[in-house]
Amino acid sequence: AQSVSQHNHHVILSEAASLELGCNYSYGGTVNLFWYVQYPGQHLQLLLKYFSGDPLVKGIKGFEAEFIKSKFSFNLRKPSVQWSDTAEYFCAGDFNGDKLIFGTGTRLQVFP
Amino acid sequence: DAGITQSPRHKVTETGTPVTLRCHQTENHRYMYWYRQDPGHGLRLIHYSYGVKDTDKGEVSDGYSVSRSKTEDFLLTLESATSSQTSVYFCATTGGGPSNTGELFFGEGSRLTVL
Repeated sequence: AQSVSQHNHHVILSEAASLELGCNYSYGGTVNLFWYVQYPGQHLQLLLKYFSGDPLVKGIKGFEAEFIKSKFSFNLRKPSVQWSDTAEYFCAGDFNGDKLIFGTGTRLQVFP
Repeated sequence: DAGITQSPRHKVTETGTPVTLRCHQTENHRYMYWYRQDPGHGLRLIHYSYGVKDTDKGEVSDGYSVSRSKTEDFLLTLESATSSQTSVYFCATTGGGPSNTGELFFGEGSRLTVL
């Protein structure tokens, strides 16, 4: 069955540190991949998406992600985090065109 | 923000009672989804709809039913609520399916507590 896994459940960083959150998926076919963010008390918002083409995709607020097909991975990165990046981050995959399967999420805390 | 409204936003109920959550959208989006969010589980898809009267099951559909009689409304019903259904429920919509638009628009969530 198709699935998305996030192995970092809780990440704590200081401001200006670099960030990388892991995301792996399980599926042998074509997949579209997404990262969503949920700020405290808010609903989910799209950060970035990968459909095809350049495996390095850039999103809002300085985030980027790299699709590595051989590793079934789509890790999220940011070179320098800010306190305002404190949120929960969800990786998601679309495996058949009509619904998203989400990972379990990674809670990021950034301290000043 | 997309015009997605969930009601009620908060509800406390007792085990065995029926509960209906409503999702209303003003975007004329074709696809609508119900997810539940639980600590350690992320978001799990309950049911979704790809058109009026067209629905399908998600990962965790047992104990839930849905109905979509018109484009703008998608109802989630718990026929007999159990404590395991205590959760935050999110409705989401998209115009052409995740592959076409790449973005789901989420409602504010409905927090349900089953005692």
